Amino acid sequence: AQSVTQLGSHVSVSEGALVLLRCNYSSSVPPYLFWYVQYPNQGLQLLLKYTSAATLVKGINGFEAEFKKSETSFHLTKPSAHMSDAAEYFCAGHSGGYQKVTFGIGTKLQVIP
Amino acid sequence: EAQVTQNPRYLITVTGKKLTVTCSQNMNHEYMSWYRQDPGLGLRQIYYSMNVEVTDKGDVPEGYKVSRKEKRNFPLILESPSPNQTSLYFCASSPRDSGVWDSPLHFGNGTRLTVT
Repeated sequence: AQSVTQLGSHVSVSEGALVLLRCNYSSSVPPYLFWYVQYPNQGLQLLLKYTSAATLVKGINGFEAEFKKSETSFHLTKPSAHMSDAAEYFCAGHSGGYQKVTFGIGTKLQVIP
Repeated sequence: EAQVTQNPRYLITVTGKKLTVTCSQNMNHEYMSWYRQDPGLGLRQIYYSMNVEVTDKGDVPEGYKVSRKEKRNFPLILESPSPNQTSLYFCASSPRDSGVWDSPLHFGNGTRLTVT
């Protein structure tokens, strides 16, 4: 069964600094992995998703994530944080089929001016 | 506009009073699911449905019921709510047609439920 672990429930960065949000997965089969963002009082929206076509995935708002099978990781990065990036970010995954989608606990990103 | 609509957005009720949270999607998605979001626990799946009349338990189904009589609707029913069901609830849908497993979930805006 697929499981997803996010390291760090809160991350603070300065405006303009690198954003790195960590996600590791546990699966015996190739996973389907996603990053979602949740702004205050809103539902989750897709940032990006991993498909087997490319290990480096680009998403919206300048975010990208790299799938590393050897490290079982799918970390989310952005070169330069913006105030509008302050939100909660969720890593999610499943192993295909109609299995349940598993979410990490979420990482709240604070951007300091 | 393609969307998942949940109602109500906010609900305060008392222990034991039956309630229903509605969820409707206009994207003709086969797969629908309910999650609850609690601080420090992320999103946990309550129930999911692969298609009409097909539902299955997620991680935390106790105290909840669902039905899928029509493709577009997937209501969440709390027959006898208790305070530990106070949470933020999200409905989501996805095409997830056979073989398209990288389809993302589309979420509603959430229902904040308080049970006193």
